[in-house]
Amino acid sequence: DVQMTQSPYNLAASPGESVSINCKASKSISKYLAWYQQKPGKANKLLIYDGSTLQSGIPSRFSGSGSGTDFTLTIRSLEPEDFGLYYCQQHNEYPPTFGAGTKLELK
Amino acid sequence: QVQLKETGPGLVQPTQTLSITCTVSGFSLTSYYMQWVRQTPGKGLEWMGFIRSGGSTEYNSEFKSRLSISRDTSKNQVFLKMNSLKTEDTGVYYCARSALYDYYVMDAWGQGASVTVSS
Repeated sequence: DVQMTQSPYNLAASPGESVSINCKASKSISKYLAWYQQKPGKANKLLIYDGSTLQSGIPSRFSGSGSGTDFTLTIRSLEPEDFGLYYCQQHNEYPPTFGAGTKLELK
Repeated sequence: QVQLKETGPGLVQPTQTLSITCTVSGFSLTSYYMQWVRQTPGKGLEWMGFIRSGGSTEYNSEFKSRLSISRDTSKNQVFLKMNSLKTEDTGVYYCARSALYDYYVMDAWGQGASVTVSS
């Protein structure tokens, strides 16, 4: 199975700041990387797929980049509702696998 | 409006069988693949398997021997059954809809059913 390694594990930031979360695959997954947001009491939300394609309805302050083994989720001008957990997931091959998550906290 | 909701037993004894129902609205099960994903303290998020729009299934080999996914399209429900439960199966079980453009991308999720495996 493809192992997905996220960094950092924790990230503290203030509203208005920009942050980046990294995800590294144990082998090439081409462009096939998705990002999800998880918040308590809410359904997980798909943010980005195919590495950089923004899911419908997701604000443009979210962006994704990368290919092969290294990917980045960037959130510009953080809003209060952006704080939570973020997970990457490879959707290149069976079985799809997830990173361990990054907790974005309010500084 | 797309909605998914999992209902489960909450507490299951070791060696017993887990049954969870996912009830969906706002779309048709005959048009979308439906997935099950779980989140455990030990392994985080794990893809368990899916049922295709045509009704066939694909499972993660990690669970294949004890997992079954089925559906009732007339009731808009998808079912997960997993037997021989162990304490490490404790976690939150999610149903999710596959995106039409890639069946390994999950574009809508339920809020999850929390399951504790304990005697």
